[in-house]
Amino acid sequence: EAGVAQSPRYKIIEKRQSVAFWCNPISGHATLYWYQQILGQGPKLLIQFQNNGVVDDSQLPKDRFSAERLKGVDSTLKIQPAKLEDSAVYLCASSPRDVGEAFFGQGTRLTVV
Amino acid sequence: GENVEQHPSTLSVQEGDSAVIKCTYSDSASNYFPWYKQELGKGPQLIIDIRSNVGEKKDQRIAVTLNKTAKHFSLHITETQPEDSAVYFCAASIRINDMRFGAGTRLTVKP
Repeated sequence: EAGVAQSPRYKIIEKRQSVAFWCNPISGHATLYWYQQILGQGPKLLIQFQNNGVVDDSQLPKDRFSAERLKGVDSTLKIQPAKLEDSAVYLCASSPRDVGEAFFGQGTRLTVV
Repeated sequence: GENVEQHPSTLSVQEGDSAVIKCTYSDSASNYFPWYKQELGKGPQLIIDIRSNVGEKKDQRIAVTLNKTAKHFSLHITETQPEDSAVYFCAASIRINDMRFGAGTRLTVKP
């Protein structure tokens, strides 16, 4: 079974630029999550999708972050404009339902300079 | 909301020794407690989990214990091997969107 796919693996941008990350969840998983993991900390949930609808985006900084999952499969997370404090690993995870195990991708390491 | 504290932040053991990582949680409604292992450059991978209706669970060299009254749970790794070296995260939740992770423990197993 293929795992959660994310791209790119690494991205370096200057502050105030924009960036987008892509995630393809495990086939058949209805629930998709984006997490932010700052160095030395545990993952923090940014947004949860159930199929193509947003379930929880209470911790998403909506002034600069946006995410979509138009066809209920893959998803993109965008940051515009980026700030230095956005430097982190962005993890995508999926699960067959909203309880139990979440399966994580390898993440995208973002560095904002 | 849920708050999870994890100790220690770093742990170094000799190969073959046991390692214990402890976590406490604040929300008594939490009923799912997973442990994730994260190797360098990779995403977290579930290694074991426990639900609130169980006090202990074991899988080969890994075991987790849960004390609901005290609101703490622990990961035990016996006969540690160098490949166990990684960062380990505990988490507590009712549903995944309210899952809160601990800050992580960097385990180093010295050969």
